[in-house]
Amino acid sequence: GAVVSQHPSWVICKSGTSVKIECRSLDFQATTMFWYRQFPKQSLMLMATSNEGSKATYEQGVEKDKFLINHASLTLSTLTVTSAHPEDSSFYICSAPWGALYEQYFGPGTRLTVT
Amino acid sequence: GQQLNQSPQSMFIQEGEDVSMNCTSSSIFNTWLWYKQEPGEGPVLLIALYKAGELTSNGRLTAQFGITRKDSFLNISASIPSDVGIYFCAGQLAGYALNFGKGTSLLVTP
Repeated sequence: GAVVSQHPSWVICKSGTSVKIECRSLDFQATTMFWYRQFPKQSLMLMATSNEGSKATYEQGVEKDKFLINHASLTLSTLTVTSAHPEDSSFYICSAPWGALYEQYFGPGTRLTVT
Repeated sequence: GQQLNQSPQSMFIQEGEDVSMNCTSSSIFNTWLWYKQEPGEGPVLLIALYKAGELTSNGRLTAQFGITRKDSFLNISASIPSDVGIYFCAGQLAGYALNFGKGTSLLVTP
C-alpha cells in the first residue's frame, strides 16, 4: 500500500507556457496532498497543501496565481505552473499521508526544465 | 515551516562501517521520520517514530525519537554500497506537512 505516482516524470517547456503535473495516490485515498519543490543539492521545501473539495493552502512566498493547485478527487491532485520562467526549473515532488498516524509517502518527482 | 538541523552534512565511509546521523529542532514534533532519496527520485520512507524515547529498527537501520521530542538519530550498521544516497530527517505535527532537515549525503566505497 501507499504508492504515489506522478506524471510526467520530466518535462521541458518554453518560457511563458504552462505545465501541468499530476499526483495520484494509487491504492489509497487522500483528502490532503502536499506539493514540495527541491532545488539541486537542497532539501525539500513545502509549496502548498492541496485539499480535496476546497482551496489549497500556500506557504509564504509561493504565488498562488502562478502555481495553481486542483484536488479534483480523492486520488488526484494537479499542480499547474503558469507562465513558466527559467527560475521555475526545479524538481517538484508530491506526497500524501497514509497510515494510522499519517506518515507521508512521496511520489517519484517531476523534473521541470524551462528554456 | 522551519528547517531542521541535520548533521553531518556528508559522510564518506568504507563498506562495513557503521554510520550515525542526527537531527535537532527548536520545537517539538509528534512524529519523526527518516527518508532516503536517490538521484532523480522522490524520498522513500525508511522509519517512522511516534513516541518520545521510541527506538525502532528496520533491518540494518535503527532510529530513535528523542525524549525531548526535539531530536532524532538514525544509525546504519554494516554499510553496503547500495546505502549510498541522501538521508533526510523530517518532523511532523499530526496531519500536517513535514519539516525537513538539510540532508546527509552518504557515500560508501567498496
